[in-house]
Amino acid sequence: GENVEQHPSTLSVQEGDSAVIKCTYSDSASNYFPWYKQELGKRPQLIIDIRSNVGEKKDQRIAVTLNKTAKHFSLHITETQPEDSAVYFCAASRDTGFQKLVFGTGTRLLVSP
Amino acid sequence: DAGVTQSPTHLIKTRGQQVTLRCSPKSGHDTVSWYQQALGQGPQFIFQYYEEEERQRGNFPDRFSGHQFPNYSSELNVNALLLGDSALYLCASSTPGTENQETQYFGPGTRLLVL
Repeated sequence: GENVEQHPSTLSVQEGDSAVIKCTYSDSASNYFPWYKQELGKRPQLIIDIRSNVGEKKDQRIAVTLNKTAKHFSLHITETQPEDSAVYFCAASRDTGFQKLVFGTGTRLLVSP
Repeated sequence: DAGVTQSPTHLIKTRGQQVTLRCSPKSGHDTVSWYQQALGQGPQFIFQYYEEEERQRGNFPDRFSGHQFPNYSSELNVNALLLGDSALYLCASSTPGTENQETQYFGPGTRLLVL
């Protein structure tokens, strides 16, 4: 069945460092890959997404890369700040017109001042 | 512009009871998806409603059922509650598209505790 693996499960960095979270998906028909940030007790919020027709997308300090051949995609956060501390989820979906998101297990990012 | 809203925010039930959770989609959205998020896990897809019909379903038993109303709001019903049904239930709204699907926007969730 469809599966998304996410690593690492926890990540601790110093403020100003970069953080990288990696995901691997199993369904080769997947072509939409969003990343959500979930702070404690709050709803998941989309921070960036990428579709299979591009290999990289950037939005200020956040970037996502996609390798469809290897079925890998990664989230890169540069110049981390304490407010980046949260749980980050990757997800994958087929482009069928109705998204069914398959989520990874999450990465708890802790940015220390 | 109203975002996705859910009610209630918290709920405590006992095993064997039934529960109904409610969701109102973001303004302009007509598709509602429901997810179950167990503690420390990623959200798991339950099902999705569009035009008042269930369009897709995840790997959840028939105890989980839903409904969508003409105003696009939705309900999630769970019968014969088990302890393992304790989780955060998230509703997400979107609009189906072809090449450029709109993103799913999540509500704040309903935290269900089954005792």
